[in-house]
Amino acid sequence: GEDVEQSLFLSVREGDSSVINCTYTDSSSTYLYWYKQEPGAGLQLLTYIFSNMDMKQDQRLTVLLNKKDKHLSLRIADTQTGDSAIYFCAESMDQKVTFGTGTKLQVIP
Amino acid sequence: GAVVSQHPSRVICKSGTSVKIECRSLDFQATTMFWYRQFPKQSLMLMATSNEGSKATYEQGVEKDKFLINHASLTLSTLTVTSAHPEDSSFYICSAKMTGNSPLHFGNGTRLTVT
Repeated sequence: GEDVEQSLFLSVREGDSSVINCTYTDSSSTYLYWYKQEPGAGLQLLTYIFSNMDMKQDQRLTVLLNKKDKHLSLRIADTQTGDSAIYFCAESMDQKVTFGTGTKLQVIP
Repeated sequence: GAVVSQHPSRVICKSGTSVKIECRSLDFQATTMFWYRQFPKQSLMLMATSNEGSKATYEQGVEKDKFLINHASLTLSTLTVTSAHPEDSSFYICSAKMTGNSPLHFGNGTRLTVT
Protein backbone atom coordinates (compact mmCIF):
# COMPACT_ATOMS: atom_id res chain seq x y z
CA GLY A 1 0.00 0.00 0.00
CA GLU A 2 0.93 3.66 -0.05
CA ASP A 3 3.33 4.95 2.54
CA VAL A 4 4.55 8.50 3.01
CA GLU A 5 7.36 9.16 5.46
CA GLN A 6 8.81 12.30 6.96
CA SER A 7 11.22 13.07 9.75
CA LEU A 8 9.35 14.14 12.86
CA PHE A 9 11.22 17.25 13.87
CA LEU A 10 13.38 20.03 12.43
CA SER A 11 14.90 22.97 14.25
CA VAL A 12 16.40 25.98 12.44
CA ARG A 13 17.50 29.49 13.32
CA GLU A 14 15.50 32.44 12.12
CA GLY A 15 16.84 33.63 8.78
CA ASP A 16 18.30 30.27 7.80
CA SER A 17 16.80 27.98 5.18
CA SER A 18 14.70 25.00 6.20
CA VAL A 19 14.53 21.81 4.19
CA ILE A 20 11.80 19.32 4.98
CA ASN A 21 12.06 15.94 3.31
CA CYS A 22 9.48 13.35 2.38
CA THR A 23 9.62 9.93 0.74
CA TYR A 24 6.70 8.14 -0.81
CA THR A 25 6.12 4.74 -2.31
CA ASP A 26 3.36 5.09 -4.91
CA SER A 27 5.06 5.72 -8.24
CA SER A 28 1.73 6.44 -9.91
CA SER A 29 1.03 9.54 -7.81
CA THR A 30 -0.25 12.42 -9.87
CA TYR A 31 0.02 15.26 -7.37
CA LEU A 32 2.32 15.82 -4.43
CA TYR A 33 1.42 18.44 -1.85
CA TRP A 34 2.82 20.36 1.04
CA TYR A 35 0.45 21.51 3.76
CA LYS A 36 1.08 23.61 6.85
CA GLN A 37 -0.80 23.11 10.12
CA GLU A 38 -0.61 25.59 12.94
CA PRO A 39 -1.72 24.53 16.45
CA GLY A 40 -5.47 23.90 16.66
CA ALA A 41 -6.02 24.78 13.01
CA GLY A 42 -6.80 22.91 9.84
CA LEU A 43 -4.38 22.33 7.01
CA GLN A 44 -3.30 25.15 4.76
CA LEU A 45 -2.24 24.23 1.24
CA LEU A 46 1.20 25.74 0.70
CA THR A 47 2.05 24.39 -2.71
CA TYR A 48 1.73 21.37 -4.90
CA ILE A 49 3.59 19.88 -7.80
CA PHE A 50 2.55 17.71 -10.70
CA SER A 51 4.37 14.43 -10.87
CA ASN A 52 5.88 15.32 -14.26
CA MET A 53 7.66 18.36 -12.81
CA ASP A 54 11.05 18.45 -11.11
CA MET A 55 10.85 21.77 -9.37
CA LYS A 56 8.42 24.49 -8.45
CA GLN A 57 9.23 27.81 -6.84
CA ASP A 58 6.79 30.14 -5.19
CA GLN A 59 8.29 33.11 -3.34
CA ARG A 60 10.18 31.66 -0.35
CA LEU A 61 9.11 28.10 -1.09
CA THR A 62 10.92 25.70 -3.41
CA VAL A 63 9.66 22.18 -4.02
CA LEU A 64 11.98 19.59 -5.49
CA LEU A 65 10.74 16.26 -6.77
CA ASN A 66 12.99 13.31 -7.53
CA LYS A 67 10.61 10.87 -9.07
CA LYS A 68 13.25 8.17 -9.52
CA ASP A 69 14.00 8.13 -5.80
CA LYS A 70 10.41 9.02 -4.83
CA HIS A 71 11.69 11.91 -2.79
CA LEU A 72 10.01 15.25 -2.27
CA SER A 73 11.45 18.22 -0.43
CA LEU A 74 10.24 21.63 0.66
CA ARG A 75 12.77 24.41 1.11
CA ILE A 76 11.74 27.53 2.99
CA ALA A 77 14.14 30.40 2.43
CA ASP A 78 14.74 33.01 5.14
CA THR A 79 12.72 31.05 7.71
CA GLN A 80 10.67 33.21 10.06
CA THR A 81 9.19 32.48 13.48
CA GLY A 82 5.77 32.49 11.83
CA ASP A 83 6.86 29.45 9.83
CA SER A 84 6.85 27.35 13.01
CA ALA A 85 4.22 24.69 12.41
CA ILE A 86 3.78 21.09 11.37
CA TYR A 87 4.32 20.43 7.69
CA PHE A 88 2.64 17.51 5.97
CA CYS A 89 3.53 16.14 2.60
CA ALA A 90 0.90 14.17 0.76
CA GLU A 91 0.60 12.21 -2.43
CA SER A 92 -2.52 11.66 -4.44
CA MET A 93 -3.75 9.43 -7.17
CA ASP A 94 -7.29 9.87 -8.44
CA GLN A 95 -9.24 10.84 -5.35
CA LYS A 96 -7.15 9.07 -2.78
CA VAL A 97 -4.71 11.19 -0.80
CA THR A 98 -2.14 9.76 1.59
CA PHE A 99 -0.52 12.01 4.16
CA GLY A 100 2.87 11.78 5.74
CA THR A 101 3.32 11.78 9.48
CA GLY A 102 4.17 15.48 9.57
CA THR A 103 7.39 17.34 10.40
CA LYS A 104 7.33 19.80 13.25
CA LEU A 105 9.40 22.84 12.32
CA GLN A 106 10.73 24.87 15.21
CA VAL A 107 12.23 28.26 14.38
CA ILE A 108 14.62 29.63 16.96
CA PRO A 109 14.71 33.44 17.13
CA GLY B 1 -8.06 31.10 -3.67
CA ALA B 2 -10.43 28.29 -2.82
CA VAL B 3 -11.92 28.63 0.65
CA VAL B 4 -13.44 25.89 2.75
CA SER B 5 -15.39 26.89 5.83
CA GLN B 6 -15.93 24.41 8.65
CA HIS B 7 -18.32 25.03 11.52
CA PRO B 8 -18.25 24.90 14.48
CA SER B 9 -14.58 25.26 15.31
CA ARG B 10 -15.10 23.87 18.80
CA VAL B 11 -17.91 21.92 20.37
CA ILE B 12 -18.39 20.28 23.74
CA CYS B 13 -21.23 17.83 24.13
CA LYS B 14 -22.49 15.32 26.65
CA SER B 15 -22.05 11.62 26.13
CA GLY B 16 -24.98 10.13 24.22
CA THR B 17 -25.87 13.26 22.27
CA SER B 18 -25.30 13.89 18.57
CA VAL B 19 -23.18 16.61 17.02
CA LYS B 20 -23.31 17.96 13.47
CA ILE B 21 -20.29 19.48 11.77
CA GLU B 22 -20.67 21.46 8.55
CA CYS B 23 -18.18 21.85 5.74
CA ARG B 24 -18.81 24.44 3.04
CA SER B 25 -16.89 25.36 -0.08
CA LEU B 26 -17.36 29.11 -0.31
CA ASP B 27 -16.14 30.02 -3.76
CA PHE B 28 -16.14 26.80 -5.74
CA GLN B 29 -18.27 23.76 -6.33
CA ALA B 30 -16.94 20.73 -4.54
CA THR B 31 -17.94 17.54 -6.24
CA THR B 32 -16.03 15.57 -3.66
CA MET B 33 -15.53 16.22 0.03
CA PHE B 34 -13.46 14.25 2.47
CA TRP B 35 -13.69 13.87 6.22
CA TYR B 36 -10.60 13.21 8.33
CA ARG B 37 -9.92 12.61 11.95
CA GLN B 38 -6.69 13.65 13.60
CA PHE B 39 -5.47 12.36 16.94
CA PRO B 40 -2.99 14.43 18.94
CA LYS B 41 0.46 14.59 17.34
CA GLN B 42 -0.60 12.28 14.55
CA SER B 43 -1.33 12.55 10.89
CA LEU B 44 -4.76 12.68 9.33
CA MET B 45 -6.84 9.55 9.06
CA LEU B 46 -9.32 9.51 6.21
CA MET B 47 -12.75 8.56 7.50
CA ALA B 48 -14.90 8.83 4.41
CA THR B 49 -15.26 10.28 0.95
CA SER B 50 -18.51 11.89 -0.08
CA ASN B 51 -19.63 12.74 -3.57
CA GLU B 52 -22.51 15.11 -4.10
CA GLY B 53 -25.81 13.31 -4.42
CA SER B 54 -24.54 9.84 -3.58
CA LYS B 55 -23.75 7.80 -0.49
CA ALA B 56 -20.45 8.31 1.22
CA THR B 57 -17.69 5.75 0.94
CA TYR B 58 -16.30 4.87 4.34
CA GLU B 59 -12.81 3.68 5.08
CA GLN B 60 -12.31 0.34 6.74
CA GLY B 61 -12.99 0.45 10.45
CA VAL B 62 -15.15 3.59 10.34
CA GLU B 63 -18.72 2.98 11.49
CA LYS B 64 -21.08 4.48 8.95
CA ASP B 65 -24.02 4.43 11.37
CA LYS B 66 -22.04 6.39 13.91
CA PHE B 67 -20.52 8.94 11.54
CA LEU B 68 -23.33 10.01 9.24
CA ILE B 69 -22.25 11.96 6.19
CA ASN B 70 -24.53 13.93 3.94
CA HIS B 71 -23.39 15.77 0.82
CA ALA B 72 -26.65 17.29 -0.35
CA SER B 73 -25.25 20.06 -2.51
CA LEU B 74 -22.09 21.00 -4.36
CA THR B 75 -21.10 23.35 -1.57
CA LEU B 76 -22.10 21.57 1.63
CA SER B 77 -21.25 18.33 3.37
CA THR B 78 -22.15 17.49 6.94
CA LEU B 79 -20.74 14.97 9.39
CA THR B 80 -22.97 13.93 12.28
CA VAL B 81 -21.39 12.08 15.15
CA THR B 82 -24.28 10.12 16.62
CA SER B 83 -24.51 9.03 20.23
CA ALA B 84 -21.12 10.52 20.95
CA HIS B 85 -18.81 8.96 23.51
CA PRO B 86 -15.63 10.31 25.09
CA GLU B 87 -13.51 8.21 22.73
CA ASP B 88 -15.00 10.20 19.83
CA SER B 89 -13.28 13.29 21.17
CA SER B 90 -10.89 14.36 18.44
CA PHE B 91 -10.08 16.95 15.81
CA TYR B 92 -12.22 16.50 12.70
CA ILE B 93 -11.19 18.15 9.45
CA CYS B 94 -12.95 18.30 6.13
CA SER B 95 -11.51 18.94 2.71
CA ALA B 96 -13.01 19.63 -0.68
CA LYS B 97 -11.93 19.49 -4.26
CA MET B 98 -13.29 20.49 -7.62
CA THR B 99 -13.69 18.08 -10.50
CA GLY B 100 -10.72 16.75 -12.33
CA ASN B 101 -7.13 17.05 -11.21
CA SER B 102 -7.19 19.74 -8.56
CA PRO B 103 -5.67 20.06 -5.10
CA LEU B 104 -7.47 19.54 -1.84
CA HIS B 105 -8.50 22.53 0.22
CA PHE B 106 -9.09 22.10 3.92
CA GLY B 107 -11.38 23.59 6.49
CA ASN B 108 -9.98 24.82 9.78
CA GLY B 109 -11.17 21.78 11.67
CA THR B 110 -13.55 21.12 14.55
CA ARG B 111 -12.34 20.21 18.02
CA LEU B 112 -14.94 17.86 19.49
CA THR B 113 -14.89 17.14 23.21
CA VAL B 114 -17.35 14.63 24.59
CA THR B 115 -17.83 14.74 28.35
